[in-house]
Amino acid sequence: KQEVTQIPAALSVPEGENLVLNCSFTDSAIYNLQWFRQDPGKGLTSLLLIQSSQREQTSGRLNASLDKSSGRSTLYIAASQPGDSATYLCAVKGDSWGKLQFGAGTQVVVTP
Amino acid sequence: DTEVTQTPKHLVMGMTNKKSLKCEQHMGHRAMYWYKQKAKKPPELMFVYSYEKLSINESVPSRFSPECPNSSLLNLHLHALQPEDSALYLCASSQEPTGGRKGQFFGPGTRLTVL
Repeated sequence: KQEVTQIPAALSVPEGENLVLNCSFTDSAIYNLQWFRQDPGKGLTSLLLIQSSQREQTSGRLNASLDKSSGRSTLYIAASQPGDSATYLCAVKGDSWGKLQFGAGTQVVVTP
Repeated sequence: DTEVTQTPKHLVMGMTNKKSLKCEQHMGHRAMYWYKQKAKKPPELMFVYSYEKLSINESVPSRFSPECPNSSLLNLHLHALQPEDSALYLCASSQEPTGGRKGQFFGPGTRLTVL
């Protein structure tokens, strides 16, 4: 059974610092991996999706890498801003028809 | 239009009430999902509709009844709920059941409180 872990559970950084968020999964046979952002009491906003054949995806200040062999993905957020404060969730899709398996999330606070 | 909408935003109901949650998308997506999310926890999948047919039911109690009237609309009918069913209910959609090129898009959720 796939298990997805996000460490740390919470992170606080000063504004301007780069953010590094980790996601690990136990079964390397994945279809894709998706990173989401969730603000308190709100829905999930999709940030990046990495297909199993890809090593990384970039969008603006965000860059996500995928290393299937080691069961890891990392989300980098450059030059963090207070508006980046949110909970970040990674989710792994095990096969094309499988469901998303979510990590518990990392709660990020960026202080001005 | 690249969003999933959900109504109502908030819902308070008694244990004997019948209510419905509504979800709509106009992106031409062929898969739609219901999730339940408790505080400080990740979303838990409840149901998946693929091409308007129920394809996954994650052993959800029968007091939750999903319905997909057409490819753009997904409902969740609620009846005789328990206080522990209080949660944020999220709807999502994807281009294909496999997720497509962009994965799943989520709506803003309905905050449900059962008294």
